[in-house]
Amino acid sequence: EVQLVESGGVVVQPGGSLRLSCAASGFTFDDYAMHWVRQAPGKGLEWVSLISWDGGSTYYADSVKGRFTISRDNSKNSLYLQMNSLRAEDTALYYCAKDVDSSGYGYFDYWGQGTLVTVSS
Amino acid sequence: EIVMTQSPATLSVSPGERATLSCRASQSVSSNLAWYQQKPGQAPRLLIYGASTRATGIPARFSGSGSGTEFTLTISSLQSEDFAVYYCQQYNNWPLALTFGGGTKVEIK
Repeated sequence: EVQLVESGGVVVQPGGSLRLSCAASGFTFDDYAMHWVRQAPGKGLEWVSLISWDGGSTYYADSVKGRFTISRDNSKNSLYLQMNSLRAEDTALYYCAKDVDSSGYGYFDYWGQGTLVTVSS
Repeated sequence: EIVMTQSPATLSVSPGERATLSCRASQSVSSNLAWYQQKPGQAPRLLIYGASTRATGIPARFSGSGSGTEFTLTISSLQSEDFAVYYCQQYNNWPLALTFGGGTKVEIK
């Protein structure tokens, strides 16, 4: 059974930093690209970032480019999102999601339950 | 950026009735479109990819159609567990950006 378990979400002040983690199990982690997708409270879904199977390619939404960094450790079956210069508009539930392809086909067949990031003073 | 527009925002349907949800792209996305279902307090679940292919384990009452800029998700006979929010998502403009529609809430009439 595929499982994605996110962690690391907390309340952080504007301008602060945070690192989210996603622990994957139930599939061959290094065969697939992985994404972060977020959902502000009561709002829709917004794609945040993608990393290819080997970490060689990364992509970001314009809204987070230059502030967020996606990474992965295939030896630990883990995905990460380093979030810097956080803003109030980054407040959201952050989901880890599995792509269907190694390089990133662009849609998600499994999602975690999310971790909540709140940016507030 | 390709903008995805879903309509209606809310759809009131009685159990057993048919539900038809629409999704429009601001430019052609070919058949590179997925649909997701999200229930309160849960993560989204993949229903349809490639505009019309059901994901593993998805009941046959869910069907997708369309190409280019106009897409439809049809639920042929609504069951109690189908009341949820549905999102469309394009993956044609890739790897530049992936975008979602604003969602359609299917509620009990």
